[in-house]
Amino acid sequence: GAVVSQHPSRVICKSGTSVKIECRSLDFQATTMFWYRQFPKQSLMLMATSNEGSKATYEQGVEKDKFLINHASLTLSTLTVTSAHPEDSSFYICSARDFRNTEAFFGQGTRLTVV
Amino acid sequence: SQQGEEDPQALSIQEGENATMNCSYKTSINNLQWYRQNSGRGLVHLILIRSNEREKHSGRLRVTLDTSKKSSSLLITASRAADTASYFCATSLYQGAQKLVFGQGTRLTINP
Repeated sequence: GAVVSQHPSRVICKSGTSVKIECRSLDFQATTMFWYRQFPKQSLMLMATSNEGSKATYEQGVEKDKFLINHASLTLSTLTVTSAHPEDSSFYICSARDFRNTEAFFGQGTRLTVV
Repeated sequence: SQQGEEDPQALSIQEGENATMNCSYKTSINNLQWYRQNSGRGLVHLILIRSNEREKHSGRLRVTLDTSKKSSSLLITASRAADTASYFCATSLYQGAQKLVFGQGTRLTINP
């Protein structure tokens, strides 16, 4: 199957700083990328959907100014957590789909800890 | 809002036994997918079943889909300790970018 690389896998940052998470599709063109958040022992909650070259569509309750998403190319999407606070600590996972819109491929996730 | 609900939330069985997990959803779907997640890791795609399919097999996995009941089941036969993980169903809706909406998941523990 296709490979999605997510980086970094773990990050610890101080409260008030910003953190950028990258999601790359390595062997296919990802026309659509999705960002999820997962709390311990819970399911994945969709945060936003991004299409290459256009603004992301955020799910209800997700602050777009806090979680900045950029999908500037067909192989890269980034999620920036701005002015991070301890409550933003979570596991963030991206997934990517190609134009055929069938199977979604997931990155390995990023464990964000804000101290 | 979450589309899928999974049952049971946790399942513990002996190695060699079969494990069955169920998933229910609320709206019309394009397809339903099952994923596996080891603790603290990303998701691994297991199997996709389309809305016009009723059953699908992949190795030791068997998935059924009943669109009239809006439910699906995942059967893992001859379970192994390495099957210990969380299993999620995800539905792809007939709209927009066909985003995936995940169920709550079943935490499966296979005891050696």
